[in-house]
Amino acid sequence: DQQVKQNSPSLSVQEGRISILNCDYTNSMFDYFLWYKKYPAEGPTFLISISSIKDKNEDGRFTVFLNKSAKHLSLHIVPSQPGDSAVYFCAASPFGGATNKLIFGTGTLLAVQP
Amino acid sequence: DTGVSQDPRHKITKRGQNVTFRCDPISEHNRLYWYRQTLGQGPEFLTYFQNEAQLEKSRLLSDRFSAERPKGSFSTLEIQRTEQGDSAMYLCASSLDTGSYNEQFFGPGTRLTVL
Repeated sequence: DQQVKQNSPSLSVQEGRISILNCDYTNSMFDYFLWYKKYPAEGPTFLISISSIKDKNEDGRFTVFLNKSAKHLSLHIVPSQPGDSAVYFCAASPFGGATNKLIFGTGTLLAVQP
Repeated sequence: DTGVSQDPRHKITKRGQNVTFRCDPISEHNRLYWYRQTLGQGPEFLTYFQNEAQLEKSRLLSDRFSAERPKGSFSTLEIQRTEQGDSAMYLCASSLDTGSYNEQFFGPGTRLTVL
């Protein structure tokens, strides 16, 4: 069963506009969430994270919002740039998990058009 | 470069052969993870080391797979009697245990093709 879901396989946005990537999860034991960006032929690169005790975390152009009651998080990129074009993965970590292993979604391919 | 490194970057092998991959984590990181990623999917957890101890293995890790981290530094992942279904990107990640959650840093991956 897919515990972390990214229902939009792709998203196209104009340069300078906002990109919103969405992620849903089913396991209420998840308490730490991360977003990774992946270019072809490279490993995932960490972008931003949020703990379940917060509902928002911001880092430059990137903001992650967490809605625990809806089991939903989103990544906002403002303004979007062509270099942001990549696959974005949402990941979650189980509460109290000693390993902190990550459960990933299937990814969303973002294309930022110049 | 002080990031996570993996070797080789690409491996093509014939079905039934054994293959071994190496991962060198960020030097001060005591946690090391292996993931597998297939086309159209996100990375899937395989196994985890805290220093040299292998503390968790996924059900995905069949008995043909073995991983080691003998001195708590680099790690190897061996696949015996490879099958075509083993074709995937094998990713290594490392993190530092600070008592709270920390992001994992990934290497570039080893792409395995089993013919």
